[in-house]
Amino acid sequence: DQQVKQNSPSLSVQEGRISILNCDYTNSMFDYFLWYKKYPAEGPTFLISISSIKDKNEDGRFTVFLNKSAKHLSLHIVPSQPGDSAVYFCAASAVGTSGSRLTFGEGTQLTVNP
Amino acid sequence: NAGVTQTPKFQVLKTGQSMTLQCAQDMNHNSMYWYRQDPGMGLRLIYYSASEGTTDKGEVPNGYNVSRLNKREFSLRLESAAPSQTSVYFCASSSSGGPEQFFGPGTRLTVL
Repeated sequence: DQQVKQNSPSLSVQEGRISILNCDYTNSMFDYFLWYKKYPAEGPTFLISISSIKDKNEDGRFTVFLNKSAKHLSLHIVPSQPGDSAVYFCAASAVGTSGSRLTFGEGTQLTVNP
Repeated sequence: NAGVTQTPKFQVLKTGQSMTLQCAQDMNHNSMYWYRQDPGMGLRLIYYSASEGTTDKGEVPNGYNVSRLNKREFSLRLESAAPSQTSVYFCASSSSGGPEQFFGPGTRLTVL
């Protein structure tokens, strides 16, 4: 069963506009959520995270929102830049899991058009 | 400070051949992980090592073995490669303090 789902395989936006990437999860034990960014032929790099005790976390152009009741989180990028074009993975971690195991979603390919 | 390094970057095997993927980290992290990435399936955990001397199965361990050689190094072995193991393999590490994992550049493996 897919405990973390990213239902949009791809998203295309214009430079300067907002990009919104979505992620849903089913496991209520997840208490920490992360977004990773991946360029072709490179490993994923950590972007931003949020603890379940918060509903919003900002870092520059990137903001992550968490709605625990809906088991939904989203990543907002404002303004979007062509260099943001990459695959974005949502990941979740559960309390008590040893070694900080992460469960990843399928990824969303973001394309920002100049 | 190289972070997480993986060797080789690319490998082509024939069905039934064996090989070992190497991973090393220089961040003094306790935990290390092996993932595979397949199109449309995200990253799936193969094996992980929460600390030196321990290893545990992840989501897709069949056909693989691992060795945590020391705190720095964590290797992944395919004893008898199959075409279904064609994938991109990523190694990652994390400290005890938080769930953020740091990834290597990956190994692209093709099994013919």
